[in-house]
Amino acid sequence: GQNIDQPTEMTATEGAIVQINCTYQTSGFNGLFWYQQHAGEAPTFLSYNVLDGLEEKGRFSSFLSRSKGYSYLLLKELQMKDSASYLCAVPRDNYGQNFVFGPGTRLSVLP
Amino acid sequence: DVKVTQSSRYLVKRTGEKVFLECVQDMDHENMFWYRQDPGLGLRLIYFSYDVKMKEKGDIPEGYSVSREKKERFSLILESASTNQTSMYLCASSRTSSRETQYFGPGTRLLVL
Repeated sequence: GQNIDQPTEMTATEGAIVQINCTYQTSGFNGLFWYQQHAGEAPTFLSYNVLDGLEEKGRFSSFLSRSKGYSYLLLKELQMKDSASYLCAVPRDNYGQNFVFGPGTRLSVLP
Repeated sequence: DVKVTQSSRYLVKRTGEKVFLECVQDMDHENMFWYRQDPGLGLRLIYFSYDVKMKEKGDIPEGYSVSREKKERFSLILESASTNQTSMYLCASSRTSSRETQYFGPGTRLLVL
């Protein structure tokens, strides 16, 4: 089966850098997704990692280590609008179309 | 842009009522999903469908059923609503591919009194 852990809450200051960790245990592996969810809204896709290493996309980067079952989302130059929950998700089977979501990390960005 | 729409943003029902939640996607996606999201529990899969008239149970199917008569539409049915089904319900769709993200609808916040 799959098990995913994330910190429940984090707080950071506007302009700072924050790293949100995700650890997972899964019987197979077919990539890891990160989603952003603002309060009261639907999750939206941020990033996808299938190979080890860092994927950079503007202010957001995502890192994956398959051997350690570990990923992180790095947010740079934090803005108030980055206050949201961040969910990591892994496919629950080898087909990769059905995900297990982590509990989410609620990030608060303070002025 | 992919668009996933849900029939209601907010819904109030009474215990024992039959409740229909509708989800429509406009990108010809094969896969559709229903989740519920509760504080501290995250997103939990109720049912999913890989094709028309196909359905598979997720992690918490009890008290729910689904219908997929057309490719673009996936309905979630609460046969007899109970107060513990008060939740945010999210529909999602995706293409058939191992590296495709899911696209979510705006959600329906259901209150069962």
